[in-house]
Parts: sequence; C-alpha cells; structure tokens
Amino acid sequence: DAGVIQSPRHEVTEMGQEVTLRCKPISGHDYLFWYRQTMMRGLELLIYFNNNVPIDDSGMPEDRFSAKMPNASFSTLKIQPSEPRDSAVYFCASSLRAQRYFGPGTRLTVT
Amino acid sequence: DAKTTQPPSMDCAEGRAANLPCNHSTISGNEYVYWYRQIHSQGPQYIIHGLKNNETNEMASLIITEDRKSSTLILPHATLRDTAVYYCIVRVANWSGNSYGKLTFGQGTILTVHP
Repeated sequence: DAGVIQSPRHEVTEMGQEVTLRCKPISGHDYLFWYRQTMMRGLELLIYFNNNVPIDDSGMPEDRFSAKMPNASFSTLKIQPSEPRDSAVYFCASSLRAQRYFGPGTRLTVT
Repeated sequence: DAKTTQPPSMDCAEGRAANLPCNHSTISGNEYVYWYRQIHSQGPQYIIHGLKNNETNEMASLIITEDRKSSTLILPHATLRDTAVYYCIVRVANWSGNSYGKLTFGQGTILTVHP
C-alpha cells in the first residue's frame, strides 16, 4: 500500500482565497483524521470520521474550516476564506483500531 | 486521557541504546501507553503500544513499570535516522465512540543521535 496520500504537498495562497486540501486514506481503514501542526500549538486534532461520517469536529477552529468525506477513499479539508494565521502543516491520518498512519502533510502558507 | 511527562531533549551516540522515559502517574487501568515519533518534515509514525506487559517489535521495546506509572521506550541500536521527536501518549483502548479520536500529542522528547 502507498500509505496515506495527501495533496498538494505545498500550497501558497493569498489571504481571502479558498484552499482545499486532499487526502486518500489507506484502503480498508475506517477512521480518517485531520490534524494541524504549528510551532506554537503543536499537533492538534481538527476533525475525524468513522465510516465516512464525521464523529467529532470540536477541534475545527471556526466556520471558515470545513471537512468532507464523500466516500471511503477520499476526504477534503477546505478553508474559506483563508487567513495568515491558518499557515501550518496539515496532516491527514487513517487507522484501523490501534495504529494511526499519518500522511506526509500539506504545508500551507497564507500571505 | 492521562497526562504524560517527558524530558524535552536527549542525546544518544550512534549504535548505542536510546532509553526514552515517560511518566504517566495518573494512568487508569484501561489506558494503553502509545509511542509515536516525528522525523523532521514528516508525519508522525507509530512505534509501539502496550498495556502492562513489556512489548517488543522490529522498531523498539516498551518497558512498563509494574505500577504502570512510568514507561521507557528503548531503541536498541540508535542510528542517525532515529533523530526525531518522540511522543508518549496514554489513552483508553476504545475502538469506537467519541473518545477514539482523542490521541493527544504533547511536546515530546527531541532525541538527537550523533555520530
């Protein structure tokens, strides 16, 4: 298996623009997670899905953030409109019970 | 989930064993100890987990004290590629429900392996 796939790997955008991050989980995994990592706040859980259904979105910072999982092999995290404070590395992870497998991350820079 | 305490940084010589401690004095009986690491510019990587017995896999060994209030991750022969941030996490082994997602990463221990 190729592992968790994320795209793009790097994204630079201007404040106010819409940003969409994409994730393909490992086949067969029934949980999908979105994390954000910054120097100040470390690694934070934003939202997670079980069998494509959002279970807990309490970590989503505000209404500008939304996440969807239309099927078992694809998820998106959208920020609209983006702000400079959204600059971070966004990780997607998937799991089947104990082990959580993380993707390589998307480094987002909002200018 | 119980809180963990780790030293902020450690050094280790290449080829020697790296012993990374973790205190989790408030751990509950149904909480597992997990270890992840994050190599620079990569996503976190699962290493090992255990409940009360010592565990070993191809990457590392996990030694949990009898009272379960602390544990040690052992990398038997550290290499330069083991330089990373190591996270010790305790959480309930609940594979479903709202608590499942709450794998909370602290600040971890920065392990530097030097030649």
